Amino acid sequence: KAGVTQTPRYLIKTRGQQVTLSCSPISGHRSVSWYQQTPGQGLQFLFEYFSETQRNKGNFPGRFSGRQFSNSRSEMNVSTLELGDSALYLCASSSPPPGVAQYFGPGTRLTVL
Amino acid sequence: SQQGEEDPQALSIQEGENATMNCSYKTSINNLQWYRQNSGRGLVHLILIRSNEREKHSGRLRVTLDTSKKSSSLLITASRAADTASYFCATERAGGTSYGKLTFGQGTILTVHP
Repeated sequence: KAGVTQTPRYLIKTRGQQVTLSCSPISGHRSVSWYQQTPGQGLQFLFEYFSETQRNKGNFPGRFSGRQFSNSRSEMNVSTLELGDSALYLCASSSPPPGVAQYFGPGTRLTVL
Repeated sequence: SQQGEEDPQALSIQEGENATMNCSYKTSINNLQWYRQNSGRGLVHLILIRSNEREKHSGRLRVTLDTSKKSSSLLITASRAADTASYFCATERAGGTSYGKLTFGQGTILTVHP
């Protein structure tokens, strides 16, 4: 099986812009979770989608949003970018039910200038 | 915020030696997972141990879980230079609202010298 793929791998944006990141889960996996990784805060949970529904959300401002499509692919969007949004964004997929391993993609490295 | 802490923050050993990393967490959990990350890339799942399990093995990895102390340890035996990476523990909180959410520790940076 192909692993989790994320596009783009690298992205440079300026403050105030918006960005959309994409994640394709492992075939058959219907749950997609997103995480932000920074040197200061470590790995933090953003949100989780299952069957096109957001089931869980972390403690991030409303500028961070996401969605999931019927083929389980997911996108996350960050609007009005701030310097502090520079991070590695990771998505992970898993098969239901909860309580199983998550499989991570290579991440998208976002740099905000 | 991070669920727990890992120690040591950094560990440097020689090839062939064993490496032990510890993780503590704060809440009741469904399971605890260990991941490896090389140089800021994606995380690789190593092993999952459920709350009703005390020990689990996978190849050169041995994980223990003590739910009374809210702690876990990861032992890598006969380490290799290729094991050099950051290692994270992650917990899935018990209860019905933990969908897809893992809470990670700060990680241990392991360096294995050839």
